[in-house]
Amino acid sequence: DAKTTQPTSMDCAEGRAANLPCNHSTISGNEYVYWYRQIHSQGPQYIIHGLKNNETNEMASLIITEDRKSSTLILPHATLRDTAVYYCIVRVDYHNAGGTSYGKLTFGQGTILTVHP
Amino acid sequence: DSGVTQTPKHLITATGQRVTLRCSPRSGDLSVYWYQQSLDQGLQFLIQYYNGEERAKGNILERFSAQQFPDLHSELNLSSLELGDSALYFCASSVGSGRASEQYFGPGTRLTVT
Repeated sequence: DAKTTQPTSMDCAEGRAANLPCNHSTISGNEYVYWYRQIHSQGPQYIIHGLKNNETNEMASLIITEDRKSSTLILPHATLRDTAVYYCIVRVDYHNAGGTSYGKLTFGQGTILTVHP
Repeated sequence: DSGVTQTPKHLITATGQRVTLRCSPRSGDLSVYWYQQSLDQGLQFLIQYYNGEERAKGNILERFSAQQFPDLHSELNLSSLELGDSALYFCASSVGSGRASEQYFGPGTRLTVT
């Protein structure tokens, strides 16, 4: 996977937008950008993913720069329950010895987002 | 709720013992993944199965093994347990196998080896 760089921690006021940046300057054309979050020892939760275009779902928006070297996850109205570690992951297809593809997730250290009242 | 279930939630056992962790994927998902999360190593990929066949191995020890059954549930077997095996073990599932398929994680099994 292309290496990603995220800030170690960020703060956000409740009700405001949380903008979490991720740098992935070595990303290749067929690599997807995924975002997951983990709330204290719970299973990681899928948030959103994209390839080239910006994406939006009920949880968040993903903005990918035109050169695809960085992206931003936007939580439009952060709540206290959004306090978590947020992981930006760049995924590429791996291929096993038989040539079939698999898609493991490689987690880095992530960004600890703390939402304050 | 992701739709992925894992049992048991907690497991406490002694060194040298063997345990089995169980995972049921989301309905319709063919891929099952196992991950280990320890304090010093973070979240690490162990192994993937797709429709009953092993698809990929990651940082899985030889003392560990897994399988996926015809009903698509999966088991992770950990043997000759050591103190360092204490960790959270997560199962994830996805429809497909590759980079375009989002993985959904279960709540995990917390293993404590004493």
